[in-house]
Amino acid sequence: EVQVVESGGGLVQPGGSLRLSCAASGFTINTYSMNWVRQAPGKGLEWISYITSSGRTIYYADSVKGRFTLSRDNAKNSVYLQMNSLRDEDTAVYYCARDRHAEAFDIWGQGTVVTVSS
Amino acid sequence: AIQMTQSPSTLSASVGDRVTITCRASEGIRNDLGWYQQKPGKAPKLLIYATSNLESGVPSRFSGSGSGTDFTLTISSLQPEDFATYYCLQDWDYPRTFGQGTKVEIK
Repeated sequence: EVQVVESGGGLVQPGGSLRLSCAASGFTINTYSMNWVRQAPGKGLEWISYITSSGRTIYYADSVKGRFTLSRDNAKNSVYLQMNSLRDEDTAVYYCARDRHAEAFDIWGQGTVVTVSS
Repeated sequence: AIQMTQSPSTLSASVGDRVTITCRASEGIRNDLGWYQQKPGKAPKLLIYATSNLESGVPSRFSGSGSGTDFTLTISSLQPEDFATYYCLQDWDYPRTFGQGTKVEIK
């Protein structure tokens, strides 16, 4: 089965850090770009980051630029979102989504919950 | 950043109704728009890509149209499993941007 599975979420204090992982199975991640999308409680979807298949090009939303770092390890079929200087407003469900060659986000994980609170 | 304005924010409809949701881009995005369905507590699901292409496995009652700045998602005959929130997403430029969502409720 083609799927991605997120992990690494949890409760963290403001100013803290977390590292989210997205593990792919059923397909080879090295031919796909990947995205992270988040959803704050009761709110809509917000795209936050993108990485090309090679890892050479990465984009971030302004809301996370300078605090979050996206990377990938194609040998481990995984992408990683390092989140630093976390704020209350980063509280959300974080989804990893496969980018089907710039035409759609076709495979989504079940999400991992990040709660930033003191 | 390209702004995506989706309307309505909430829609009340009955089973069997024809439902239309619109999405307007703040600038032209050719046909680089997709539609996603999200049910409570679940991940979004791709319905339509490149404006009008039905994703494999998605029922044919879903259709999309438009180009440039104005796009439409239509459900020809609403089914009980279609009550959900729908989002448009432009994939023309970065940052990618979603519409605010349309919640389709039971009338």
